[in-house]
Amino acid sequence: AQSVAQPEDQVNVAEGNPLTVKCTYSVSGNPYLFWYVQYPNRGLQFLLKYITGDNLVKGSYGFEAEFNKSQTSFHLKKPSALVSDSALYFCAVRPLDTGGFKTIFGAGTRLFVKA
Amino acid sequence: NAGVTQTPKFRVLKTGQSMTLLCAQDMNHEYMYWYRQDPGMGLRLIHYSVGEGTTAKGEVPDGYNVSRLKKQNFLLGLESAAPSQTSVYFCASSLDKAEAFFGQGTRLTVV
Repeated sequence: AQSVAQPEDQVNVAEGNPLTVKCTYSVSGNPYLFWYVQYPNRGLQFLLKYITGDNLVKGSYGFEAEFNKSQTSFHLKKPSALVSDSALYFCAVRPLDTGGFKTIFGAGTRLFVKA
Repeated sequence: NAGVTQTPKFRVLKTGQSMTLLCAQDMNHEYMYWYRQDPGMGLRLIHYSVGEGTTAKGEVPDGYNVSRLKKQNFLLGLESAAPSQTSVYFCASSLDKAEAFFGQGTRLTVV
């Protein structure tokens, strides 16, 4: 079965430190990969995506993500965390074998950045 | 820019009642989706549409129906609400297979 795993329910970092939010997936083929962020009582907002090309993709608010095909991972990173980065982060994968219409979301990782 | 607009934002239903959630997008997107979000489970796809007049089942379609009579609108219906349908519902739209744009959500409680 196709799936997306975010192994950490919660990640805690101090402001100014680098952060990593992990994501691995089990999907056939070469899917599109996404990261979204959700602030309280809001919908999801797109951060970045990987379709093809350079394994390191840059997105909004200073976030970047590293794609590793052999490990089927797509970890979200930021060199220096801000308190305002505290939110719920979702990794999402869009398999292309079913037409590319469906997106599989991970369960989410809550990021706490402490001042 | 309105983007994706959902109405209502909150609703409390009694078991067995029916209701329709409305979603409107002004980005001329072909693809539209309805998800539900439950704690610890991420987002699960209920139904989706790849164009006006088309709908398809997602991961958890039971108990829900949808219609896409106009390109900009995607309606989600609950014919007979059950407590298991208590959730936060999100509508989204996308251009082809690109990233999705989400509405602010509808918090539904079924008592």
